[in-house]
Amino acid sequence: GEDVEQSLFLSVREGDSSVINCTYTDSSSTYLYWYKQEPGAGLQLLTYIFSNMDMKQDQRLTVLLNKKDKHLSLRIADTQTGDSAIYFCAESRSGGYNKLIFGAGTRLAVHP
Amino acid sequence: DAGVIQSPRHEVTEMGQEVTLRCKPISGHDYLFWYRQTMMRGLELLIYFNNNVPIDDSGMPEDRFSAKMPNASFSTLKIQPSEPRDSAVYFCASSPSGQETQYFGPGTRLLVL
Repeated sequence: GEDVEQSLFLSVREGDSSVINCTYTDSSSTYLYWYKQEPGAGLQLLTYIFSNMDMKQDQRLTVLLNKKDKHLSLRIADTQTGDSAIYFCAESRSGGYNKLIFGAGTRLAVHP
Repeated sequence: DAGVIQSPRHEVTEMGQEVTLRCKPISGHDYLFWYRQTMMRGLELLIYFNNNVPIDDSGMPEDRFSAKMPNASFSTLKIQPSEPRDSAVYFCASSPSGQETQYFGPGTRLLVL
């Protein structure tokens, strides 16, 4: 995960917005992904964005992509306790298949 | 669809024993991936298959690790002999094609004593 960087921890109050940031390195990445991992569970695909898009919104989730700065963010509106999990950013690398390079994950803690 | 299925969900074994992890990909998916997750190294791709053929095993740590895919609906990851440093969560993922999203299984939590 050294090529994709994320902050390791984020704490927010229930009802507030959460913003999880990620920087990546490969400017030719086709897709960028956000996965969610709850304690003791596998990785669940949350959302993804094509590299030719700047923004994607899906209910409470908003993904922003700044290709110039190679910066990706995930905003969760009205954060709930059920959103507490580790969030992984991943970039896809070209070369025959969709090779995913994951960040180390950001642990989101939601408190009352 | 049931999603990617992995077994066992948890495995505790002693150093030196053989460990076999199993995966059933989503039906119709041509790509299958094995990952390992540890606190120190995060998520690492070990090997992937396309149409049951191993394509890239450069992530396999050493000769103690081997993976097979005898048919489109089953894959195994074997560690022989196992060592304490192999303790990790092992994920299997599948994808309809090389360019599409990967779907992950629940993982196998391996502890080698």
